[in-house]
Amino acid sequence: QQPVQSPQAVILREGEDAVINCSSSKALYSVHWYRQKHGEAPVFLMILLKGGEQKGHDKISASFNEKKQQSSLYLTASQLSYSGTYFCGTDLGGTSYGKLTFGQGTILTVHP
Amino acid sequence: IAGITQAPTSQILAAGRRMTLRCTQDMRHNAMYWYRQDLGLGLRLIHYSNTAGTTGKGEVPDGYSVSRANTDDFPLTLASAVPSQTSVYFCASSETAHGPADTQYFGPGTRLTVL
Repeated sequence: QQPVQSPQAVILREGEDAVINCSSSKALYSVHWYRQKHGEAPVFLMILLKGGEQKGHDKISASFNEKKQQSSLYLTASQLSYSGTYFCGTDLGGTSYGKLTFGQGTILTVHP
Repeated sequence: IAGITQAPTSQILAAGRRMTLRCTQDMRHNAMYWYRQDLGLGLRLIHYSNTAGTTGKGEVPDGYSVSRANTDDFPLTLASAVPSQTSVYFCASSETAHGPADTQYFGPGTRLTVL
């Protein structure tokens, strides 16, 4: 079943923060986050494994709450280059290793 | 290093025609995947291959077939195209399909229109 992302869209001014959530009704092994710019391929951001870890690089970080089966992507002090559609992909593990089910995407627009 | 290449970049196809989308990777990755992307539906897995010589069905396999004769190539075939197969198709690969942190890398995509 497809994970649910929220919000569907968000508009920011440069320097503002945003949070994108990804929720699943199934127990997850990992959550993968990607960003896609219009007309381009999805680009990998980070993987969160079950265990509630938090990861980050630059001003983008993410967490995974195993109890809630929810991952959140945090974008801090947004830049124009952050604009794009963000997708979470969920992996159930076990015999489904590597077979990601993606959310419908969150469109992020950053204005000057 | 090219990573993943896909061909063609775009194609307009008459319904009922056969079409093969090509995907080649030069990273020696064991696992490869085909996704389709439709507006509002995100990316959906069509078929996958954990290693050369093996393939499996994803979420939306009907109307598509794949083969994996070697490590580098993973073609996707539409035997008899229908308008509902109009979509953007992405090929992806990962080092393995069993590692806990295997990253999937995506190709540039093929935009297919079936009329």
